[in-house]
Amino acid sequence: GAVVSQHPSRVICKSGTSVKIECRSLDFQATTMFWYRQFPKKSLMLMATSNEGSKATYEQGVEKDKFLINHASLTLSTLTVTSAHPEDSSFYICSARPGTTDYNEQFFGPGTRLTVL
Amino acid sequence: GQNIDQPTEMTATEGAIVQINCTYQTSGFNGLFWYQQHAGEAPTFLSYNVLDGLEEKGRFSSFLSRSKGYSYLLLKELQMKDSASYLCAVVDSNYQLIWGAGTKLIIKP
Repeated sequence: GAVVSQHPSRVICKSGTSVKIECRSLDFQATTMFWYRQFPKKSLMLMATSNEGSKATYEQGVEKDKFLINHASLTLSTLTVTSAHPEDSSFYICSARPGTTDYNEQFFGPGTRLTVL
Repeated sequence: GQNIDQPTEMTATEGAIVQINCTYQTSGFNGLFWYQQHAGEAPTFLSYNVLDGLEEKGRFSSFLSRSKGYSYLLLKELQMKDSASYLCAVVDSNYQLIWGAGTKLIIKP
């Protein structure tokens, strides 16, 4: 149980285009979903936290107009990288936290590798 | 500020035992996770500690001392597939995960 999927797993796009990444909890309802990015050999960096039906909370330094997050249902959150540039190339990982656990475990998706040319 | 410290890299021999340490200074404490991450993949859950003491799960064990702000992950009978990064993460008072930079573990035959 507690499986999180992410789509696409890999995307290459031209500079200036927008890319949407989907994160789905397949067998549980995720009241909270998290979006991270990770640069090579670096740790995870939390970008934003989203709760179903409400606006995402962005971490300091993350542009909310550039990284649009929508958490429309208890099983789906999307991250849209708008007007992508080469510096946005990174490994993006989502995680989901069920509302029922009492120890706050996050279940991670497999990640999306974004390359902006 | 909030801070998680763990060694950047460690090397060990196949079949041996290795201990990866993690010290933390966070605003509040609601548990500590250890995750394993292979290159190019997402983290996978290894252990969770919220009370002091040792939690054993097969070849992996995790220890926590809240008074010392310290945890370690112990890996026994190392296998080549254990070569990965090991991430320590603390749940703070806002129930946010604060991540360490990870320890890259290299296993040699």
